[in-house]
Amino acid sequence: DGGITQSPKYLFRKEGQNVTLSCEQNLNHDAMYWYRQDPGQGLRLIYYSQIVNDFQKGDIAEGYSVSREKKESFPLTVTSAQKNPTAFYLCASSITQNSNQPQHFGDGTRLSIL
Amino acid sequence: AQSVSQHNHHVILSEAASLELGCNYSYGGTVNLFWYVQYPGQHLQLLLKYFSGDPLVKGIKGFEAEFIKSKFSFNLRKPSVQWSDTAEYFCAVNVKAAGNKLTFGGGTRVLVKP
Repeated sequence: DGGITQSPKYLFRKEGQNVTLSCEQNLNHDAMYWYRQDPGQGLRLIYYSQIVNDFQKGDIAEGYSVSREKKESFPLTVTSAQKNPTAFYLCASSITQNSNQPQHFGDGTRLSIL
Repeated sequence: AQSVSQHNHHVILSEAASLELGCNYSYGGTVNLFWYVQYPGQHLQLLLKYFSGDPLVKGIKGFEAEFIKSKFSFNLRKPSVQWSDTAEYFCAVNVKAAGNKLTFGGGTRVLVKP
C-alpha cells in the first residue's frame, strides 16, 4: 500500500537533547511537509520541501531543522533550541508543490519532554 | 499572511441531526479551500476541496461545503450525521500563487451521540 510512514509513534526527549523524527513516503511525491499540531491551534507549517535537496522554512521553523537527501525521506530534527517541543508532529506529501494538489498525511509522532 | 478561523471548538449533537461547521479566512487574493477530517486513531484525510467553479462542492460521506466569496467563508455541512462522523474537522486554505503551503484553522471536535 502506498502511503506515508512516520516513526516512532511516541517519542520522549530529555531537555537539551536533539531528536529526529522520521518521515518516509512511497507515493513518489515531489513535495513534503512538516506540521506541528497543538490543541486548539490546528496545524502549523514548520518546513516544506518542493523537491529533493531543497527545503524552505514555514511559519514556525525556529528550533527545527530538516534535510531532503532522498525523494522519499524528509526527516525533522527538533533541536534543543525549540523551547516548547511537546506536540504532535505530522508529515505530509503532495504530488507537486502546486496549490491544487491535496496533501496526504502520515499518522503522526507524539513528542513529549521528560 | 492569511489566517483561518473556525467558530466552534466543540460541537455535540445526536445522530440524524444536521451539522454545520463555520470556516472563515482572511486573504484578499485567490485561494483554494479544503476541509480535512481526523477520525479517532486515524490520520488526517481530505474530506473535500474547492478550487474554482461551482461554489457548492460535495465530498465524501455525504459532506458538502459552500464557498461564499463575499463572506470569505467555506462552511461545511451534512444534513444528517451518524455516530461514525465523530471526529475533528479542520478547514485549510492556500494561496493559489504561493504554492501548496496550507494554513489551517484551529479545528472543531464533533461528538455525535448515538
